[in-house]
Amino acid sequence: SQTIHQWPATLVQPVGSPLSLECTVEGTSNPNLYWYRQAAGRGLQLLFYSVGIGQISSEVPQNLSASRPQDRQFILSSKKLLLSDSGFYLCAWSVPPSDTQYFGPGTRLTVL
Amino acid sequence: DQQVKQNSPSLSVQEGRISILNCDYTNSMFDYFLWYKKYPAEGPTFLISISSIKDKNEDGRFTVFLNKSAKHLSLHIVPSQPGDSAVYFCAASARQGAQKLVFGQGTRLTINP
Repeated sequence: SQTIHQWPATLVQPVGSPLSLECTVEGTSNPNLYWYRQAAGRGLQLLFYSVGIGQISSEVPQNLSASRPQDRQFILSSKKLLLSDSGFYLCAWSVPPSDTQYFGPGTRLTVL
Repeated sequence: DQQVKQNSPSLSVQEGRISILNCDYTNSMFDYFLWYKKYPAEGPTFLISISSIKDKNEDGRFTVFLNKSAKHLSLHIVPSQPGDSAVYFCAASARQGAQKLVFGQGTRLTINP
């Protein structure tokens, strides 16, 4: 069966510090991968998606970037965090042609 | 421009009764719809989906209804149980190759004993 891992589970970072969140998927090949953010009391906002290694599409201009160095690994990064980057970050996967996405446990990021 | 809307931020239902969660969309290109359930500090869990070629899909206590002419879908939970208390998100897809989903803002469902 497929599983998705995210780490760390929680993170507290000072403004201006770098960020690296990692997501890995097991039990499937060639998945589409997604990064979402849920701000406090808000819905899920799609940040990036990837249909293959090295292929990244950005949905919202922002302070963040994403990379996919391996088929089942998706990384969310920032060189300098802003207060507004605080939120709950979720990674998800799907396998075409299915539209159903399956989510990881999430990372709670607090920028102080 | 919010393409998927859940106009009720919260809903309170008595245990054993029916819970009805609503969702509206504006993009006529959406042809696949999903409902997710989310507990605090956890990732959303897929519940049920429906394709635009259907108007109803049922899975146990969960039924999703789709009204394409009204651009409206609803999730019925019957009977409601305390474990159903969570935030429910509807999502829609236009199947544009990357299977991107557009989410509503969520409805917090509370089941009262």
